[in-house]
Amino acid sequence: QSVLTQPPSVSGAPGQRVTISCTGSSSNIGAGYDVYWYQHLPGTAPKLLLYGNSNRPSGVPDRFSGTKSGTSASLAITGLQAEDEAYYYCQSYDTSLSGSLVFGGGTKLTVL
Amino acid sequence: QVQLRESGPGLVKTSETLSLTCGVSGYSISSGYCWGWVRQPPGKGLEWIGDICQSGTTYYSPSLKSRVTISADTSKNHFSLRLSSVTAADTAVYYCSRLLRYFAYFPPAEYFQHWGRGTLVTVSS
Repeated sequence: QSVLTQPPSVSGAPGQRVTISCTGSSSNIGAGYDVYWYQHLPGTAPKLLLYGNSNRPSGVPDRFSGTKSGTSASLAITGLQAEDEAYYYCQSYDTSLSGSLVFGGGTKLTVL
Repeated sequence: QVQLRESGPGLVKTSETLSLTCGVSGYSISSGYCWGWVRQPPGKGLEWIGDICQSGTTYYSPSLKSRVTISADTSKNHFSLRLSSVTAADTAVYYCSRLLRYFAYFPPAEYFQHWGRGTLVTVSS
């Protein structure tokens, strides 16, 4: 059971917009800690997608955006492309149990 | 461009110690940042194991702290993971990563900037 909760799967057609939620609690996102997002294709290195809730590293398209509110965060992908099909993970910091970097369980995005 | 690559045995016997090394190219680990490990058991999500910073400070997951040691060899520009008393539950793909930890403001920045491709370690008797 992951500390951050994500839907196991989402899907969308090419060109559409999808969102992936990441729900935490008062000991992580709700305590003010930032959320980070990673994209992962199995067999490859995970890739940092967003940092500080909504900031894109160099090279990440502006089709990817992030928001945070209360105890939750969301990743939005617009203009869906076949190459976006991957697993997406959120990550934050949790103050319980002496502090820890925590991940969501991951969401499989399928491009129909 | 920073590149990381995991290496080590793909099979470890139950109760023994898992040892992995992460070779880094494109950046000197003695210059800054933190260097750590994340694992992914089959069919499950990512789990942070721990990391070691350029200052020598180490951070470990509370759930694994009693069994984990992370060390760095700056002369070889690599860092290592040792996980003792392994069981089948430690079977996973192990990733090494470069982390940024910045505590000057709240909230602090603590995240994984670059990753290796991972290596599967199976624990079996």
